[in-house]
Formats: sequence, C-alpha cells, structure tokens
Amino acid sequence: QVQLQESGPGLVKPSETLSLTCGVSGYSISSGYHWGWIRQTPGKGLEWITSIYHSGTTYYNPSLKSRVTISVDTSRNQLFLSLSSVTAADTAVYYCARAGNTFYVSGSYTNWFGLWGQGVLVTVSS
Amino acid sequence: EIVLTQSPGTLSLSPGERATLSCRASQSVTNNYLAWYRQKPGQAPSLLISDASSRATGIPDRFSGSGSGTDFTLTISRLEPEDFAVYYCQQYGSPPNTFGQGTKLEIK
Repeated sequence: QVQLQESGPGLVKPSETLSLTCGVSGYSISSGYHWGWIRQTPGKGLEWITSIYHSGTTYYNPSLKSRVTISVDTSRNQLFLSLSSVTAADTAVYYCARAGNTFYVSGSYTNWFGLWGQGVLVTVSS
Repeated sequence: EIVLTQSPGTLSLSPGERATLSCRASQSVTNNYLAWYRQKPGQAPSLLISDASSRATGIPDRFSGSGSGTDFTLTISRLEPEDFAVYYCQQYGSPPNTFGQGTKLEIK
C-alpha cells in the first residue's frame, strides 16, 4: 500500500532553515496527484503550508510563502520542504500528505488530503 | 482566507450515542468543498468526508456529513470506542486551504 514517511532533524536553531524529506513508497509521485505539507501546533492547530504537482506546479500559504520552498525528486520518489528563518512559532509536527481531488480556484489550487504520513516533530530552540 | 469555527470545543458522550459536530465558515464555501478528518491520539488526521457529504473509501455509514454555504455538520450515528478522538473540518473552496480548530469527542 501507499506510505509516506517524513524525516529530518528534530531540533533546529532559531534563524536557521528547517529541511524535511518525505519518502513515498507504493506509488510513483510522477504518476499523478498533488502532494503537500501540513503542520500542527498546539496553538494554531492544523495549518496547510504548501503543495506541489510533479510537473513543478507549486502553491503556498500566503502566510508562509516568503519563507517556504517545496520540491520533488521523482527519481528518488521524495518530497522536500524548506522553511527559512525559523522561530519558536515554527515548532510543530510536520506532515506530508497526498492530496485527493484538486481544484483550480481563484488563480490557485485547493485540495483535500486523503493520505498522510505519521508526522515528524520539529522543535525550534537554541 | 476563510476561517472555520468548530463547535463545541469538547463533546462528552457515551458509546452508542449520537454525536453532532458543527463547522461554521466565515464566508460561503464554494461548491461546498468541505472535508472532515478524525485524528486519533498519536496519529495523523485521516479523511472521513469530502465535498461536505461524500464518505471516503472504507468509512462506515455511521458517519455522515451535511450542510452548505457556511454551516456544515458531521454526524456520527452510534459512537464506537474508536470514534473518541479529535475531529477537524477543512475547506478547499477558496485558497488557501484552511482547517478548523477541532472538536474533541471524549467518553462521558
């Protein structure tokens, strides 16, 4: 079956860049679907960060857009997230997820998420 | 962006009872593009409902979604032990995708 597995450093220092990888097994990213990153904090709950299609189409949450980069490596079947200039407010569990139906709305894309990884806790602290 | 407000914050019920969870949007959700998720302790959220009322694959029919415009409801007809969890709504009618803050369903 299709599985997603996030990985990355559990501790990042303030002002540094958070980098995460999502390995996908059981399905080829290049076969379709949009793929995304979502985070969860006790304070703000679930927050969609960004998504990508294997062709390179990307879209971002405006609240994070200036600090976020998403990319894929189809040869390795991996998804990547980079979040720069992190602060304590970026401490969260980060999930990668496969979107279900995707819609083009008001100049961007929206989607629900049918398959999630188990998540990885990232703490921002010196 | 569309803000989703879920109520109640916590719902205390017994197994076998009926649960009604609410999700209200700050503006109308285009095409009723609203999803519901269940998050069990220590796990990632999992999809229950999309398009306001379409059950995801493998989701039992005790789960039903309804509503339109700004007001949506998730109903669980007969609570099973595994249903005591946190439930989130998410809208995908207008970018960016946004989530509600969650309703915790606890055993009474």
